Amino acid sequence: AQTVTQSQPEMSVQEAETVTLSCTYDTSESNYYLFWYKQPPSRQMILVIRQEAYKQQNATENRFSVNFQKAAKSFSLKISDSQLGDTAMYFCAFMKRRDDKIIFGKGTRLHILP
Amino acid sequence: DVKVTQSSRYLVKRTGEKVFLECVQDMDHENMFWYRQDPGLGLRLIYFSYDVKMKEKGDIPEGYSVSREKKERFSLILESASTNQTSMYLCASSFNSELSTDTQYFGPGTRLTVL
Repeated sequence: AQTVTQSQPEMSVQEAETVTLSCTYDTSESNYYLFWYKQPPSRQMILVIRQEAYKQQNATENRFSVNFQKAAKSFSLKISDSQLGDTAMYFCAFMKRRDDKIIFGKGTRLHILP
Repeated sequence: DVKVTQSSRYLVKRTGEKVFLECVQDMDHENMFWYRQDPGLGLRLIYFSYDVKMKEKGDIPEGYSVSREKKERFSLILESASTNQTSMYLCASSFNSELSTDTQYFGPGTRLTVL
């Protein structure tokens, strides 16, 4: 069975700093997808970034980038130039290729301080 | 834009009541999901539906049932609500993974309190 572990329950950083959220996963699959989702306070959960395991290049979306280490089964999220609007719960998630179900980590609550 | 809506943002019910949580999506997605979200536990899958009238148990189905009579609508039913079902309930939808590698899209959530 696959598992997703987020070792940081809560983090705080100053606005404009760079922050890295950690995620490790366990799987015997070779083809899969990894995601970071963001859930702002009292707002809808949205996808931040996704990574396909067969791609070596790390995904980036504007200020958000990942460090995907397949051998180490690590998938960290880096937020550059953090903004107050980045305050949210962040979930790391895993999905096997050709499976419809996503396995979520327990989340990291991120506070961006003014 | 994909839109997933849930019938209520906040709901307060009494122990023993039958509770219906409704979810509607407008993207013609085959898959629909119900999760519950609790602090420190992340999202846990309750039930999953991959087609009309089709359903599959998730990780924590006990005390819940579901109904999917139409493709766009997926209902979660608490037959006899209990206090340990107080939680945030999230609905999501997605295309079938055989057809698309797109992700899941989430509704705004229903915060249910059972007294």
